[in-house]
Amino acid sequence: AQKITQTQPGMFVQEKEAVTLDCTYDTSDPSYGLFWYKQPSSGEMIFLIYQGSYDQQNATEGRYSLNFQKARKSANLVISASQLGDSAMYFCAMSYTGRRALTFGSGTRLQVQP
Amino acid sequence: DTGVSQDPRHKITKRGQNVTFRCDPISEHNRLYWYRQTLGQGPEFLTYFQNEAQLEKSRLLSDRFSAERPKGSFSTLEIQRTEQGDSAMYLCASSESGGADEQYFGPGTRLTVT
Repeated sequence: AQKITQTQPGMFVQEKEAVTLDCTYDTSDPSYGLFWYKQPSSGEMIFLIYQGSYDQQNATEGRYSLNFQKARKSANLVISASQLGDSAMYFCAMSYTGRRALTFGSGTRLQVQP
Repeated sequence: DTGVSQDPRHKITKRGQNVTFRCDPISEHNRLYWYRQTLGQGPEFLTYFQNEAQLEKSRLLSDRFSAERPKGSFSTLEIQRTEQGDSAMYLCASSESGGADEQYFGPGTRLTVT
């Protein structure tokens, strides 16, 4: 069965610093996708970044980058130059060929301190 | 380009009553998903439509739950004989087939069963 593990329930980071949020996954399917979502206190899930299992390069979207280490089955999110507005829950999720629905991890609450 | 919308945003109901939620996906998206999220957890998949066909249902979707997408556009999720354990945030997401198939979420409907 597919599983996503986020081992950091909470993280603190100083404004303008970089932070890494950890995500490991487990799947036997060779074709899968990894996603990161942000959920502010308002509740809406905001799509941040995607990495396909066959992508050779790590995905980047603005201040977000995904550190994809396939052999270690990890897909860590790196946020550079943290801003106060980055304070939120962050969820790692995956889909795979046989299942379009996303399997989510338990999330990491990030707090950016001024 | 409007995002995914959900109605109502909040619903308070008494145990045993029926409730119905509506989701309007992004207009060009042919895939629609329902998830449920309880406090402190990641979203859990409930069901998935491609156009009007319901292609997958989670074991979480008991016989009290039913979802429809009659014309392949908006979708409804009905819960019959609500129980206190149904209290949660119900999230709808949509995606376009092909590519990364990233899912875009609506603001959710928060259900409270008293």
